[in-house]
Amino acid sequence: GNSVTQMEGPVTLSEEAFLTINCTYTATGYPSLFWYVQYPGEGLQLLLKATKADDKGSNKGFEATYRKETTSFHLEKGSVQVSDSAVYFCALSDQRGSTLGRLYFGRGTQLTVWP
Amino acid sequence: DAGITQSPRYKITETGRQVTLMCHQTWSHSYMFWYRQDLGHGLRLIYYSAAADITDKGEVPDGYVVSRSKTENFPLTLESATRSQTSVYFCASSDAIHGYTFGSGTRLTVV
Repeated sequence: GNSVTQMEGPVTLSEEAFLTINCTYTATGYPSLFWYVQYPGEGLQLLLKATKADDKGSNKGFEATYRKETTSFHLEKGSVQVSDSAVYFCALSDQRGSTLGRLYFGRGTQLTVWP
Repeated sequence: DAGITQSPRYKITETGRQVTLMCHQTWSHSYMFWYRQDLGHGLRLIYYSAAADITDKGEVPDGYVVSRSKTENFPLTLESATRSQTSVYFCASSDAIHGYTFGSGTRLTVV
């Protein structure tokens, strides 16, 4: 079946520190992979995505590379800001190269950045 | 660009009561979804719909009912609310161009 495992939080960093949030997945077929961000009191927003192996998704300084050999999609940012404080969710879609199908989510990682 | 609207934003109800959470999209996205978000569980899929009049169970469908008579609406009904259904509920829609879009959520408390 399909599942996503992401590192447990919370993660607490100082401003300008390097961020990595690990995400690994199990899937049948060739899923699309996503990172979503949830700010307090809001719904989820798409942060970045990758639809095939070796693709790199990037947005707002965040990056993640679709690694089929290690079934991973780790989220990284070189220099975090206080405004990056949020909950981050790794997810996969069970439809190849598509953003249509149902999503399978990890449990979320709370990130807090201190000034 | 109204997107997805969920209502109510907050709801308190008593055990055993029926309650309906509304979800409306202003596009014509084919897929719509209901998730619940609980601490330690992330988001779990309750029901989803690929088109009007087509619905399917997700991971945690027990105690919930959905319908989709119109493409733009996807209400979720708790037939007899229980305390274990206290949660934050998110509706989402998707299509091949825009991907997933989430509503702002409904915080439901069952007392």
